[in-house]
Amino acid sequence: GQNIDQPTEMTATEGAIVQINCTYQTSGFNGLFWYQQHAGEAPTFLSYNVLDGLEEKGRFSSFLSRSKGYSYLLLKELQMKDSASYLCAPSKAAGNKLTFGGGTRVLVKP
Amino acid sequence: DAGVIQSPRHEVTEMGQEVTLRCKPISGHNSLFWYRQTMMRGLELLIYFNNNVPIDDSGMPEDRFSAKMPNASFSTLKIQPSEPRDSAVYFCASSLGRGRDQPQHFGDGTRLSIL
Repeated sequence: GQNIDQPTEMTATEGAIVQINCTYQTSGFNGLFWYQQHAGEAPTFLSYNVLDGLEEKGRFSSFLSRSKGYSYLLLKELQMKDSASYLCAPSKAAGNKLTFGGGTRVLVKP
Repeated sequence: DAGVIQSPRHEVTEMGQEVTLRCKPISGHNSLFWYRQTMMRGLELLIYFNNNVPIDDSGMPEDRFSAKMPNASFSTLKIQPSEPRDSAVYFCASSLGRGRDQPQHFGDGTRLSIL
């Protein structure tokens, strides 16, 4: 089975940095995805980690520790448009099957 | 390039009626996924296909739900008979490849309300 834990909600100020943590217990773990979902819209792919360490992509970075079952998504230089839910999704080794966490709703304030 | 296309975007119907949701994956993608999203349960995988073959339907809630993929460019999710608790947003997603992780691309979803 799977157990995915991420905070329900976070609030931050425009221009600041926010770190969204995700812990997971996934049998047959392969890699970890992060998706962004604006209210009323579809999830969109943000990042993917399969090796331990930090992957940087512009203002967004994602980190993975396979041994600890831990990942985080780092959002820098926050903008109002970053207000959204961020979904942590570990994948299982047997072919691309994702299980999504409940999502962390990030509210960016002016 | 066209993304994943779902229809209808919205559906309101009375309980007991049959509901059919449709999905056209991105051309060339050989994996297709059906998800359901509610406030209470989040985003749940219902079923997924590889090369038009159902691989895992363990998330399908009960026999009232069925899914087909008759060819590489079309899939349906059917609910018969529908019940109020089926009200949710249903997403279809597709991805390229199997055996290695590839990002899933989501359609805009179908907002289903069963009265």
